[in-house]
Amino acid sequence: DAGITQSPRHKVTETGTPVTLRCHQTENHRYMYWYRQDPGHGLRLIHYSYGVKDTDKGEVSDGYSVSRSKTEDFLLTLESATSSQTSVYFCAISETDRGNTEAFFGQGTRLTVV
Amino acid sequence: AQSVSQHNHHVILSEAASLELGCNYSYGGTVNLFWYVQYPGQHLQLLLKYFSGDPLVKGIKGFEAEFIKSKFSFNLRKPSVQWSDTAEYFCAVVRSSNTGKLIFGQGTTLQVKP
Repeated sequence: DAGITQSPRHKVTETGTPVTLRCHQTENHRYMYWYRQDPGHGLRLIHYSYGVKDTDKGEVSDGYSVSRSKTEDFLLTLESATSSQTSVYFCAISETDRGNTEAFFGQGTRLTVV
Repeated sequence: AQSVSQHNHHVILSEAASLELGCNYSYGGTVNLFWYVQYPGQHLQLLLKYFSGDPLVKGIKGFEAEFIKSKFSFNLRKPSVQWSDTAEYFCAVVRSSNTGKLIFGQGTTLQVKP
């Protein structure tokens, strides 16, 4: 398996609290992604990064922010968690800039907002 | 907006039946295409990928997919499914000219009855 670690793996938080999920890679891949997985919606892209300090929005970016200060770390922050953000979050990494490689996925973080 | 559509949301088959899962994408230009599988409780794993060349791509576990550019399609097939193929299947697309933005379809849940 590719060297991707997501932390925490499970989290329960209260509505209105800030939450940060961390994705750490040891592969030195350029691209990193955050997805959320919900029944009936597949994987939806939240934000992605194409280099240190280079990020862009995905399909469902509202309510989320990201930061990438180092190649190996990509942080996803929910500034004020809502129940609609209860989901399973996956981080992924890939290498080349023309998609000519596969994306490798982390194990996922199950977030419950109560 | 970029989109990926998977026509079948839930498929139920008996062992040894043939499988075909549809995938269409909505934009032109050069694309790279992927099929991923997610077994229960696990993260996504790559089944197969298409970048260029022969439009018929063979992947792991007896899966194959055919890229038909004129139809914007990349359908997944397997001649004879097994109970162990029970999983969720995702089609994904990245535009070669894009900065690695990888978009997934909604997913298809396959249930294989023994």
